[in-house]
Amino acid sequence: KAGVTQTPRYLIKTRGQQVTLSCSPISGHRSVSWYQQTPGQGLQFLFEYFSETQRNKGNFPGRFSGRQFSNSRSEMNVSTLELGDSALYLCASSSRQENTEAFFGQGTRLTVV
Amino acid sequence: KQEVTQIPAALSVPEGENLVLNCSFTDSAIYNLQWFRQDPGKGLTSLLLIQSSQREQTSGRLNASLDKSSGRSTLYIAASQPGDSATYLCALPRDSSYKLIFGSGTRLLVRP
Repeated sequence: KAGVTQTPRYLIKTRGQQVTLSCSPISGHRSVSWYQQTPGQGLQFLFEYFSETQRNKGNFPGRFSGRQFSNSRSEMNVSTLELGDSALYLCASSSRQENTEAFFGQGTRLTVV
Repeated sequence: KQEVTQIPAALSVPEGENLVLNCSFTDSAIYNLQWFRQDPGKGLTSLLLIQSSQREQTSGRLNASLDKSSGRSTLYIAASQPGDSATYLCALPRDSSYKLIFGSGTRLLVRP
């Protein structure tokens, strides 16, 4: 069974631009969560989507947004990119049944120059 | 507010040694605890998930234990190999949500 797929793997963008990252969860999983990982802050929760609805949100500015489609695929968008947005963005997939395991993708490495 | 701490931050051991990685959490009312492995620049690989009702879980050379009363989990790696070199992270969901709170990780180096 295929794992969590994130595209693209690498991105280089200029300050002020916007970017869209994609995540396809494990087949049958309806929960997708997004995390930002930086050397200074570690792994920080961005938001979680379940059945096309945002269920939880972390402490990030409104420039960070996401959505989920009916096939459970999710996209994350960052507008007006800043240098500090350079990070590894990770997506996690879960069936969202009680106490289930989270499975992560390989991540998208975003570099803002 | 749940806080997760992992000590030590880095560990270097010779091949073949048995080792223990520690994870501490401040709120004992947890749902489960998950251990992950991360290779440089890569995503997270789930190693073990321990439910709150369990005391330990085993997978191959890995054994994870959970003591909610003391707010601790340990990951035991038997007969370490150079291929075990990676960063190991523990994470817990914040209350009933699916937001995972991560420790800062232990960077393990197993020397041949």
